[in-house]
Parts: sequence; C-alpha cells; structure tokens
Amino acid sequence: AAGVIQSPRHLIKEKRETATLKCYPIPRHDTVYWYQQGPGQDPQFLISFYEKMQSDKGSIPDRFSAQQFSDYHSELNMSSLELGDSALYFCATQGAPTDTQYFGPGTRLTVL
Amino acid sequence: GESVGLHLPTLSVQEGDNSIINCAYSNSASDYFIWYKQESGKGPQFIIDIRSNMDKRQGQRVTVLLNKTVKHLSLQIAATQPGDSAVYFCAEIQGGYNKLIFGAGTRLAVHP
Repeated sequence: AAGVIQSPRHLIKEKRETATLKCYPIPRHDTVYWYQQGPGQDPQFLISFYEKMQSDKGSIPDRFSAQQFSDYHSELNMSSLELGDSALYFCATQGAPTDTQYFGPGTRLTVL
Repeated sequence: GESVGLHLPTLSVQEGDNSIINCAYSNSASDYFIWYKQESGKGPQFIIDIRSNMDKRQGQRVTVLLNKTVKHLSLQIAATQPGDSAVYFCAEIQGGYNKLIFGAGTRLAVHP
C-alpha cells in the first residue's frame, strides 16, 4: 500500500539558512499534519491543513511557514534556522472515513 | 495545558512475556486515544485506537484498556517478541481538526 512520502530524508544546514521539507500524502488523503520531534522527546504538533487551507496551528515559530498545494502535498518552509531547530520532522496524513493519521518516515534536519 | 503522559520511561521484558505500557491523561473531555509504535529512525506507526465509549479493544496480540474514571489507558502486548522493541507513545486527539497530543514515550526492550 502507498505510504506517506517525505523528502529529503536528511538535511544539513548552517545557522540562518533556510530549508524546505516536503510531504506527499497517501492517495485520497486531504489532511496533512506536521510534527517536530526533538531528541528523546515526543512529537509536537506544528501545523495542519485540510483541503489546502490551514486548519490548526500549534507551537510553530514565526520563522516557519507551510502550505498545502492543489495536489495535496505540503511543504514546510523554515527560515533563519537555529541550532535548536535540529530535530526530526514528520508529516502525517489523514483522509475520510477514518480519523487515523499515518506518519511518513520523517526528515532529519541538522543545523550546524 | 492539559496533556497526556506516561508513567514509565523504560520497560524491559523477556521474550514471550506479556508487556503492559501505561498512560495517564488529564483532560476528562478526551474521547479518542491512539497508541503508536516508533522504531529507531522511523515515523510513528499506528497500533490501535480506542474511543471513550469503549473500555477495551483488541487487535492482533495487542489490547488497549481505557479507564475513564481514573483517566488511564494501557497497552497490553501478548507474547512479546524482539520485533516489538521500540518506543511506544499514547496520543490524544484534540481540537476539531484532530491534532495529536503525544505523551512521553515508553521504551520497550525485549530480551531473548
């Protein structure tokens, strides 16, 4: 079965650089969630989109923005990167009729 | 804010034994809970869910119990196998757009 695709899988950036993470949902899934997971921590909700509109917002820094496109894929844009942004970034997607969120493999971002 | 949390950070069991992972939640209005399994370097994988109108739900080798009186849920894994070694998270759905609020994970280590 098709799963959630995230790219890139690994990303290394310098401080103050920008990064773009991409998420491709399972076919027919119209909702995308982004989560950040620091080392040894639980995933923290950042932001979500339903039918290409932002539906909810969590603890996402103002330096980050995201959007969902007409093909339902989503991109998380991160600017002015800081060392503390180093983490695993997961997207999860969901589609009717279930409420289950299916996670992608994640993007490991390292900021040097 | 209200959150979901776990009692134990690590759990070591012998192969073939049953495992029980516990989770407490504080929001009495919570009505949907999910258990996820996360292996090293991978995204959280859905295991089983339960809604508040149930107190028990069974899957393949897994059972989730929900005690709304004391706001506690548990994940029972029967005949634990080495492949069950992972970090287990309970999560709660919050908000109308179903964002997940994770508790701190429990690492399950299965010894031969």
